[in-house]
Amino acid sequence: GEDVEQSLFLSVREGDSSVINCTYTDSSSTYLYWYKQEPGAGLQLLTYIFSNMDMKQDQRLTVLLNKKDKHLSLRIADTQTGDSAIYFCAESALSGGYNKLIFGAGTRLAVHP
Amino acid sequence: KAGVTQTPRYLIKTRGQQVTLSCSPISGHRSVSWYQQTPGQGLQFLFEYFSETQRNKGNFPGRFSGRQFSNSRSEMNVSTLELGDSALYLCASATGTAMNTEAFFGQGTRLTVV
Repeated sequence: GEDVEQSLFLSVREGDSSVINCTYTDSSSTYLYWYKQEPGAGLQLLTYIFSNMDMKQDQRLTVLLNKKDKHLSLRIADTQTGDSAIYFCAESALSGGYNKLIFGAGTRLAVHP
Repeated sequence: KAGVTQTPRYLIKTRGQQVTLSCSPISGHRSVSWYQQTPGQGLQFLFEYFSETQRNKGNFPGRFSGRQFSNSRSEMNVSTLELGDSALYLCASATGTAMNTEAFFGQGTRLTVV
């Protein structure tokens, strides 16, 4: 079946690194995504990783993928108060020959001084 | 270039009414997907349209329907509204190839059913 799980809450101090974890079940997923949602806003695509990669770095963001364990993580270096938001992990799942996105419940990141 | 535009941003309807939401995708994108976001159920896939055809559908009742026009704009309709339909409805557009679902989301339409 299709399922994406992530922890619901993470609190970090400003300047520290944040690591948000996610597990997924669909081994045929071709892409895995991280989206950010700020209060009252839609979803902003942060980064994504193709399933044949194990790491992707984009400025302060590092995505690690362990395909064997179906584990995805997002590391935010030098976390700032502006990073406070809900972060959604999503996998692309094949359905009827086409892709749809399956989202986790979201991890609320709180950054405190 | 302009992002995904959803209208209206906010909507209040009463039970039993019907509602139509609109989504204009990024120029050049032919795939439009709709998602429902609620505190209890999270983000759930409703359906996806590509070149005016529905090619993917989630597990929602038939009261939820949609369509896509030749300019790729999409509308979603919910008939006989129920209180539980109160949610943020998000639309996402993508280039639409089967192996690439880099989807960009609009800000959503917040529907409140009273």
